Amino acid sequence: GAVVSQHPSRVICKSGTSVKIECRSLDFQATTMFWYRQFPKKSLMLMATSNEGSKATYEQGVEKDKFLINHASLTLSTLTVTSAHPEDSSFYICSVSDSLEAFFGQGTRLTVV
Amino acid sequence: AQSVSQHNHHVILSEAASLELGCNYSYGGTVNLFWYVQYPGQHLQLLLKYFSGDPLVKGIKGFEAEFIKSKFSFNLRKPSVQWSDTAEYFCAVNAGTGRRALTFGSGTRLQVQP
Repeated sequence: GAVVSQHPSRVICKSGTSVKIECRSLDFQATTMFWYRQFPKKSLMLMATSNEGSKATYEQGVEKDKFLINHASLTLSTLTVTSAHPEDSSFYICSVSDSLEAFFGQGTRLTVV
Repeated sequence: AQSVSQHNHHVILSEAASLELGCNYSYGGTVNLFWYVQYPGQHLQLLLKYFSGDPLVKGIKGFEAEFIKSKFSFNLRKPSVQWSDTAEYFCAVNAGTGRRALTFGSGTRLQVQP
């Protein structure tokens, strides 16, 4: 299966700053990557679908100007949380899938102070 | 749109006890069904999946799940749990084919006491 690497695994930032999270597909060319957010004791919620070479598709209620997604190559997608606020603190997970199953990064714990 | 319900939020068992975690989904069409496990500090790993065929599927580490179409259910089972099974378990579905995002249940935290 595909190996997905996410970086950083943990990040603490100040309110108002921006944070970039990288998601790399190490052995699989991913034209599509998915970004999820996991709230404490809750499920993973799909935020957006990242499309290589084109604009991301955002789920309803997700602010595209706040969560900037760039998918410039078949192996890298980035999620930038802009002007972060404490309510953006969460666990962010990226995923790639082939036609059979999904493979997940190890996640990024973002804490905004 | 599909949705997934996991009714057991936190389960505590002793080693060697049997496990069954419930998962129900709502979607009128054909779905693909998955169970993922997340061990503490690790990423999500696939336990098993169902696409078609035999509704009783066997996964890794002795887990199995049964797809009951009439009940829209895909419950996870293991006859005898071990302390190392302590983890968070997520049921997920996607619809159709191809590279589609998953809809997850809220997860079940399993704690196995030695």
